[in-house]
Amino acid sequence: GEDVEQSLFLSVREGDSSVINCTYTDSSSTYLYWYKQEPGAGLQLLTYIFSNMDMKQDQRLTVLLNKKDKHLSLRIADTQTGDSAIYFCAESIDNQGGKLIFGQGTELSVKP
Amino acid sequence: DVKVTQSSRYLVKRTGEKVFLECVQDMDHENMFWYRQDPGLGLRLIYFSYDVKMKEKGDIPEGYSVSREKKERFSLILESASTNQTSMYLCASRPGTAKGNTIYFGEGSWLTVV
Repeated sequence: GEDVEQSLFLSVREGDSSVINCTYTDSSSTYLYWYKQEPGAGLQLLTYIFSNMDMKQDQRLTVLLNKKDKHLSLRIADTQTGDSAIYFCAESIDNQGGKLIFGQGTELSVKP
Repeated sequence: DVKVTQSSRYLVKRTGEKVFLECVQDMDHENMFWYRQDPGLGLRLIYFSYDVKMKEKGDIPEGYSVSREKKERFSLILESASTNQTSMYLCASRPGTAKGNTIYFGEGSWLTVV
């Protein structure tokens, strides 16, 4: 079945890079997403990558996709205290009507 | 801007009550989803719908039902609320898969069942 796994916590110092990792099991995924959730809020789409890409960069964010290992990562350069949030990766199972499967979420804590 | 609106942000209901959670989107999206979010478990899919009057079970449909009578509205129904359904519920929508991939979320509905 489909499964998406993330580690639950990550702590970094302000100004360092953060790398949040995710593994998934369904090889029929077409899109993979990163969402950010701040306390008390819904999910905000950060970025996504199509499954035939290896890398996508968007300002401070870099997404790397290793399709062979089914591994996705999100790198945040120059991490700021405002980046403290829960980050979810998700895969889209498009042969099932666009169903989205989420990981457990990684809580990123940025210390000054 | 796309808007997904969940009508109730915070609800407190008694065990056994029937609960309706409403979600409306204003972008003519085909697909709509209901998730529940619990600490350490991430988001788990309850039901989704890819067209009016269509519905598919997600991973945890037990104790829930849904209604999609109009394209813009997707309702989640708890027939007889129980304390283990205390959670945050998130609605989402996206265009049909041939038309785009961006999924939009509502702000969430915090449900407490006492």
